[in-house]
Amino acid sequence: GAGVSQSPSNKVTEKGKDVELRCDPISGHTALYWYRQSLGQGLEFLIYFQGNSAPDKSGLPSDRFSAERTGGSVSTLTIQRTQQEDSAVYLCASSLTGGLFAEAFFGQGTRLTVV
Amino acid sequence: AQSVTQLGSHVSVSEGALVLLRCNYSSSVPPYLFWYVQYPNQGLQLLLKYTTGATLVKGINGFEAEFKKSETSFHLTKPSAHMSDAAEYFCAVSGGGATNKLIFGTGTLLAVQP
Repeated sequence: GAGVSQSPSNKVTEKGKDVELRCDPISGHTALYWYRQSLGQGLEFLIYFQGNSAPDKSGLPSDRFSAERTGGSVSTLTIQRTQQEDSAVYLCASSLTGGLFAEAFFGQGTRLTVV
Repeated sequence: AQSVTQLGSHVSVSEGALVLLRCNYSSSVPPYLFWYVQYPNQGLQLLLKYTTGATLVKGINGFEAEFKKSETSFHLTKPSAHMSDAAEYFCAVSGGGATNKLIFGTGTLLAVQP
């Protein structure tokens, strides 16, 4: 597609439920990032993929969070047993190579609300 | 460890006035610095970046930023604000490395008054 696509755009879930957030990167982009944007907290790095591998998972806040990427393309971020503090906007970005001079393009995000 | 501090979570200027958004960074390696803009209900868009070379960097929409190593700063400026500049602005730092992940500041919401 023309840009990074994320779905759903909004998700309301009950505390304790599992949720899956999807990211479709720009075709041909090998690098993919997940960030979390919370009110007053800026953007927090979660995980980085290069192809289907995740060499940097250092930002995942707990073992309830996991992510995978298949076919070097679509990525899914899964949050198990959601908590209210998980409420945030989850942003996905992709870049051509992940190298320093490769611009990261962001999707519009998924707004997650845990009630 | 790298970090970014943006002074002023909210900045308000009049249309036509100078825009100055402040960013200070901390990095143990030569930093690569970025400014992103986020318009309402949209994703982040790269405004400009500094990697190496000229310390005054020009970006889109008339914005520019100057890398000052001695002050560990990368402030964003625009000589004359336009109503369409109203958005949230994020400063970010990267040390490159294997992942080139970005470390973001908490953002500055710019309001432009008519």
